[in-house]
Amino acid sequence: AQKITQTQPGMFVQEKEAVTLDCTYDTSDPSYGLFWYKQPSSGEMIFLIYQGSYDQQNATEGRYSLNFQKARKSANLVISASQLGDSAMYFCAMRGGGKGRRALTFGSGTRLQVQP
Amino acid sequence: EAGVAQSPRYKIIEKRQSVAFWCNPISGHATLYWYQQILGQGPKLLIQFQNNGVVDDSQLPKDRFSAERLKGVDSTLKIQPAKLEDSAVYLCASATGTGGNQPQHFGDGTRLSIL
Repeated sequence: AQKITQTQPGMFVQEKEAVTLDCTYDTSDPSYGLFWYKQPSSGEMIFLIYQGSYDQQNATEGRYSLNFQKARKSANLVISASQLGDSAMYFCAMRGGGKGRRALTFGSGTRLQVQP
Repeated sequence: EAGVAQSPRYKIIEKRQSVAFWCNPISGHATLYWYQQILGQGPKLLIQFQNNGVVDDSQLPKDRFSAERLKGVDSTLKIQPAKLEDSAVYLCASATGTGGNQPQHFGDGTRLSIL
């Protein structure tokens, strides 16, 4: 079974500072993918970044980067230069391998509040 | 491109009533998912379709929930009869396939309240 753990229910960060959102995972699949999604108060889930289990380099997408430490089974999201619009729920999710297991398993989320 | 469309946006019903949700995925997306997101939790998969066939419905409470995807495009999710614990946001997502790095694109969701 797959499991995603996000231990930070809420985080505060000052505008323009960097923030790290923690995510640890557990899986027996040798091949898997890790995703981060942003969910503003309006409710839509917005895809941010993806990391494959065999990717050699950490993924980056603009101000988002994923600190992937495979041995520690962690996939932390780093947001650089925080903006007020970054205030939202952030979910870490995993997609395992194998037929019929392509849906995402989500963590419980971290609420990020960016303060001016 | 147009995103995943869901309707209605909000629904309020009494327990034991029935309700249906509709989803239109992104054009050309073969894979469609329905997730249930209870307040304060992450989304949980209810059912996954590949074209018009069911890939995974192991977490769908089949005594009250049903879903179909006719012609491999639009999908409907039905609850009959509804229980108080069904109060949640129901999210529809689609993807081009089941490939590892393909993100799922989500609709805005239907917020269901059971009285």
